[in-house]
Amino acid sequence: EVQLVESGGGLVQPGGSLRLSCAASGFTFSSYWMTWVRQVPGKGLEWVANIKEDESEKYYVDSVKGRYTISRDNAKNSLYLQMNSLRAEDTAVYYCARLLRTLEGYYYMDVWGKGTTVTVSS
Amino acid sequence: EIVMTQSPATLSVSPGERATLSCRASQSVSSNLVWYHQKPGQALRLLIYGASTRATGIPARFSGSGSGTEFTLTISSLQSEDFGIYYCQQYRDWWTFGQGTKVEIK
Repeated sequence: EVQLVESGGGLVQPGGSLRLSCAASGFTFSSYWMTWVRQVPGKGLEWVANIKEDESEKYYVDSVKGRYTISRDNAKNSLYLQMNSLRAEDTAVYYCARLLRTLEGYYYMDVWGKGTTVTVSS
Repeated sequence: EIVMTQSPATLSVSPGERATLSCRASQSVSSNLVWYHQKPGQALRLLIYGASTRATGIPARFSGSGSGTEFTLTISSLQSEDFGIYYCQQYRDWWTFGQGTKVEIK
């Protein structure tokens, strides 16, 4: 069974740091782009960052550039999100997801984890 | 940024009835659109990709249509497990999501 399990969320003060992890199983992790998406409580979903199979390409939404770093360890089938200089507006449920490529070269998220909650508050 | 707008915000449906959900893009996304279903505490589940292709294991009562800027998700006969929130998402230009349609029991 294809599965993604996030961990590492919690309560952190503004300006603090947190590292999220996502454990993948049931598929060849090293063959897929991966992504992080967040959902602000009561609001919508927002793409945060993604990373190529070999880490050679990484992309971020503008609001987290310079503060967040996405990475992966293909030997451990794991995806990570290092979050620094956290702000109240970063409070959200963070999901990892697998990106699937279409024949036309576009990517969509086909498998999601259940998410981990990050709360930034003093 | 492509803005995705879903309607209605809430849909009250009786089990066995038909449900029709709409999604509009602020500019053309061709057929680069997916639909997801979310239930509390669960992972988002991919229902439809390419605007109209059912994902693996998705029942035939789910169907997607549309292209360009107007899209529809139809659930032909709502089952108890179908209640929850449905999101559309475009993947033509990065990724943006609609705000969701909550399907609740009437």
